[in-house]
Amino acid sequence: SQELEQSPQSLIVQEGKNLTINCTSSKTLYGLYWYKQKYGEGLIFLMMLQKGGEEKSHEKITAKLDEKKQQSSLHITASQPSHAGIYLCGASQGAQKLVFGQGTRLTINP
Amino acid sequence: GAVVSQHPSRVICKSGTSVKIECRSLDFQATTMFWYRQFPKQSLMLMATSNEGSKATYEQGVEKDKFLINHASLTLSTLTVTSAHPEDSSFYICSAPLNFRVGYTFGSGTRLTVV
Repeated sequence: SQELEQSPQSLIVQEGKNLTINCTSSKTLYGLYWYKQKYGEGLIFLMMLQKGGEEKSHEKITAKLDEKKQQSSLHITASQPSHAGIYLCGASQGAQKLVFGQGTRLTINP
Repeated sequence: GAVVSQHPSRVICKSGTSVKIECRSLDFQATTMFWYRQFPKQSLMLMATSNEGSKATYEQGVEKDKFLINHASLTLSTLTVTSAHPEDSSFYICSAPLNFRVGYTFGSGTRLTVV
């Protein structure tokens, strides 16, 4: 089965700083999803990447999928307190199942 | 947009009792529903997949007799935690696939505390 490794598992940054979260797959990714979660709440869809080399941006968040489609990164520019939360990458497996990486807990210090 | 309504959001129950969690799809039909469990500071672990009109498929290591899943209609899937114990305390969340581009829609989750 496909495994997703996220790094780092925890990240503390000063407000205004940039940061990057990585997601590496043991298999080729055919659909890579990024979600944000505040613990104990539902997930918010951020972006979906499908093609090798694809890059998408929304506000200050940019996600990329490498050419080999086994690694994705999520970059936040000029971080704000509202960016704090848990970031999860997910990949589709057979029968539409979505499996997740371990998650990255992001803390923004004012 | 497509929304999954999950209830209850929080529940406290006594050891040995059963708890039912409901997920209803609003404005769309969910032939499939995924059930996840999340422990504090951990990621979401897929427990099982429910399909309308057929038996649920459980992931390895998940006790199907303890976590009963029913997909009674195209808009309702339920997870019943039977004979709950404190170690079953967790955050449970459901998800329905939408389309490849958007992916999935998630319920708001249920925090279960067994005392």
